[in-house]
Amino acid sequence: AQKVTQAQTEISVVEKEDVTLDCVYETRDTTYYLFWYKQPPSGELVFLIRRNSFDEQNEISGRYSWNFQKSTSSFNFTITASQVVDSAVYFCALSEVTGTASKLTFGTGTRLQVTL
Amino acid sequence: GAGVSQSPRYKVTKRGQDVALRCDPISGHVSLYWYRQALGQGPEFLTYFNYEAQQDKSGLPNDRFSAERPEGSISTLTIQRTEQRDSAMYRCASSLYGGELFFGEGSRLTVL
Repeated sequence: AQKVTQAQTEISVVEKEDVTLDCVYETRDTTYYLFWYKQPPSGELVFLIRRNSFDEQNEISGRYSWNFQKSTSSFNFTITASQVVDSAVYFCALSEVTGTASKLTFGTGTRLQVTL
Repeated sequence: GAGVSQSPRYKVTKRGQDVALRCDPISGHVSLYWYRQALGQGPEFLTYFNYEAQQDKSGLPNDRFSAERPEGSISTLTIQRTEQRDSAMYRCASSLYGGELFFGEGSRLTVL
């Protein structure tokens, strides 16, 4: 069975601080995808990134960066120079790739509060 | 349409009533998924379709829940004889073959 653990329930930072959101996963599959989604106060789920299990290169997109370490089954997300607009719940997810579809298993989310 | 559209956005119903939630996926997306998100939790998989075929319904909690996608586009999730524990955000998502999931804004169901 697949499992995603986001041990940090809530994090509060002051604007411009860097913050890392942790994600640890469990799977028996050799091929899988990892995702991060953002859920702002408005409630929608916004896709941030997808990474496949064969690509361990770190990725940077603006102030966002992701560190995938297969050896520790972790896929951590760092926001550099956080801003108030980053305040949201962030979900890490793992997908089972079955045929032509991807079923996601989500973590319980980390609520990030960025204050001035 | 431009994104995944769900209706109604909010539904309040009395215990015992049937409810139908609708999802209109992104045009051309093969796969359609239903997830349920309880307050303070991550979304949980319910079922998914490729075209009109229901491929996996292992996440449906019990036989009061059913879903269909008769023409391979719009899907309906039906909950019969609703119970208070069914209260949650019901999210629909669609994707191209195996690609990332794009979620709709969700339908928040409250059962009184």
